[in-house]
Amino acid sequence: DAGVTQSPTHLIKTRGQHVTLRCSPISGHKSVSWYQQVLGQGPQFIFQYYEKEERGRGNFPDRFSARQFPNYSSELNVNALLLGDSALYLCASSLGLFFFTDTQYFGPGTRLTVL
Amino acid sequence: DAKTTQPNSMESNEEEPVHLPCNHSTISGTDYIHWYRQLPSQGPEYVIHGLTSNVNNRMASLAIAEDRKSSTLILHRATLRDAAVYYCILRDNTGNQFYFGTGTSLTVIP
Repeated sequence: DAGVTQSPTHLIKTRGQHVTLRCSPISGHKSVSWYQQVLGQGPQFIFQYYEKEERGRGNFPDRFSARQFPNYSSELNVNALLLGDSALYLCASSLGLFFFTDTQYFGPGTRLTVL
Repeated sequence: DAKTTQPNSMESNEEEPVHLPCNHSTISGTDYIHWYRQLPSQGPEYVIHGLTSNVNNRMASLAIAEDRKSSTLILHRATLRDAAVYYCILRDNTGNQFYFGTGTSLTVIP
């Protein structure tokens, strides 16, 4: 079975630009979460979506937005990029039924570099 | 969210047991304890989770203190492939956040 897939693998943007990252969850998973991982730190939670509704949001500015589509895939959008947005962006999918015991399955991530 | 505290790094010899500690003194009664690990250049992967009782699976064991203020992830025989950053995470019954912290970087020495 295919795992969580993310595209693109790598991306280079300049300050002020906009970026869209994409995630396809494991088949049957209805929840998708997004994380930002800066070099040397643990992943930081950005958003969780379940059944196309936002279920949680981390401490990130409004420049970050996301959505989930009817097929449960998801997009993360970041506007007005800053140098500090350079990071590995991870997507994780889960069944979404019981959040406190749900196992999250992570994709390989998208490496975003902002110049 | 309740937070966790882990040592920054640990070392183990190959084929020896490894005990990775985690302190979570502010844990609430409904928080589940999850462990994930992140191998180099990969996304995190699930290891194990528990609530009150000790748990075992094919990857590891989780020992939870009686007062639940600490837990220990036990790798019974460390291999070189176990070299990773291990994260101890608390998840409440709203489950809509997942706080990783900085984790413990495990080095396995051949």
